[in-house]
Amino acid sequence: EAGVAQSPRYKIIEKRQSVAFWCNPISGHATLYWYQQILGQGPKLLIQFQNNGVVDDSQLPKDRFSAERLKGVDSTLKIQPAKLEDSAVYLCASSLGREGQARRGAFFGQGTRLTVV
Amino acid sequence: KQEVTQIPAALSVPEGENLVLNCSFTDSAIYNLQWFRQDPGKGLTSLLLIQSSQREQTSGRLNASLDKSSGRSTLYIAASQPGDSATYLCAVSDTGRRALTFGSGTRLQVQP
Repeated sequence: EAGVAQSPRYKIIEKRQSVAFWCNPISGHATLYWYQQILGQGPKLLIQFQNNGVVDDSQLPKDRFSAERLKGVDSTLKIQPAKLEDSAVYLCASSLGREGQARRGAFFGQGTRLTVV
Repeated sequence: KQEVTQIPAALSVPEGENLVLNCSFTDSAIYNLQWFRQDPGKGLTSLLLIQSSQREQTSGRLNASLDKSSGRSTLYIAASQPGDSATYLCAVSDTGRRALTFGSGTRLQVQP
């Protein structure tokens, strides 16, 4: 089966600019996650979708970050305006849904490495 | 709030050694635990998943154990190889949202 697809792989922007990341989950996966991984740390959850509804966005900096999941499939994550501390790898993951996640877990994309200068 | 700790942060061993990576978590009410591998500049590859009702899982040279009551998991790698060099991440899924909480990882280097 095809994996989780993310684009772009790399992005360099200046602070205060905006940027958007795209994710296409594994076909049939109801749950989609965006994680932020700062160098040397483990990934941290930003937002979780179940189909096209938000399950948890408690750690999403809503003054600058936004995310949507169109028709319960693809998702975009946007940062506007970017700050230096947003430099990180942004990982998208998907799972079958609550019960499927228990048996098979979550699958991750290659990530987008963002550098804010 | 769930917190996951991995020890050691970094490990360097000669090829052929057996090694153990440790993971501890503060809230034992987990749904499952996953071990991932991350190569530099790459995404996460799932190695093993242990459901909360299970004690261990094995895949090839890898064996992961789970002691939910004490909040601990170990990843055992037998006969290590240079190709095993990577960062290993432990993550637990909570019983509610099922999102993963990660540790900071153990960076493993296997010397040829």
